[in-house]
Amino acid sequence: GGIITQTPKFLIGQEGQKLTLKCQQNFNHDTMYWYRQDSGKGLRLIYYSITENDLQKGDLSEGYDASREKKSSFSLTVTSAQKNEMAVFLCASSQGTNERLFFGHGTKLSVL
Amino acid sequence: QQNVQQSPESLIVPEGARTSLNCTFSDSASQYFWWYRQHSGKAPKALMSIFSNGEKEEGRFTIHLNKASLHFSLHIRDSQPSDSALYLCAVRVNAGAKLTFGGGTRLTVRP
Repeated sequence: GGIITQTPKFLIGQEGQKLTLKCQQNFNHDTMYWYRQDSGKGLRLIYYSITENDLQKGDLSEGYDASREKKSSFSLTVTSAQKNEMAVFLCASSQGTNERLFFGHGTKLSVL
Repeated sequence: QQNVQQSPESLIVPEGARTSLNCTFSDSASQYFWWYRQHSGKAPKALMSIFSNGEKEEGRFTIHLNKASLHFSLHIRDSQPSDSALYLCAVRVNAGAKLTFGGGTRLTVRP
């Protein structure tokens, strides 16, 4: 088995601040994803990466940047945090692009 | 752009009931269909998948897929309180394309 580790677990930022979320997986999976979940609702895809050095935009990429530094890590940057923004950011990985996703426990973001 | 919708938004059923959750999608070229389950405060976890029209059963859970009607569903037989969770459907057009999730159905099973 493997694990997906997201850091930090909680992130409090100020309006306009640039914030970075990190994700590490030891499944040796090729594909990694970043999703946003608001208030226990559905997941919206921000970015995904099919392999190292690949980057694909999702439906919600505006206001975010991503970086796949190596096969095991995928980071997400909120380029300018919005006041009163509150969401959970979930990182996931899969062996192939039609295989099941394994999720991390999320980073909970609050912006003051 | 793929549009995935789930119904109902929330559902309360008694223990032992048969529960049905629905998912519709907009892209008729979609090929891969998943159900995920997320217990409160936990990470989503894959439950079942189906890749061709018809039905697939695993234990108390059954998926139905009808590509022509752009619809698939999850049925839970003999629902248990431990089934209480947020259920998320997900659709992919083809391998390599993005996985699009629906808005979720929150299921509560009363003992």
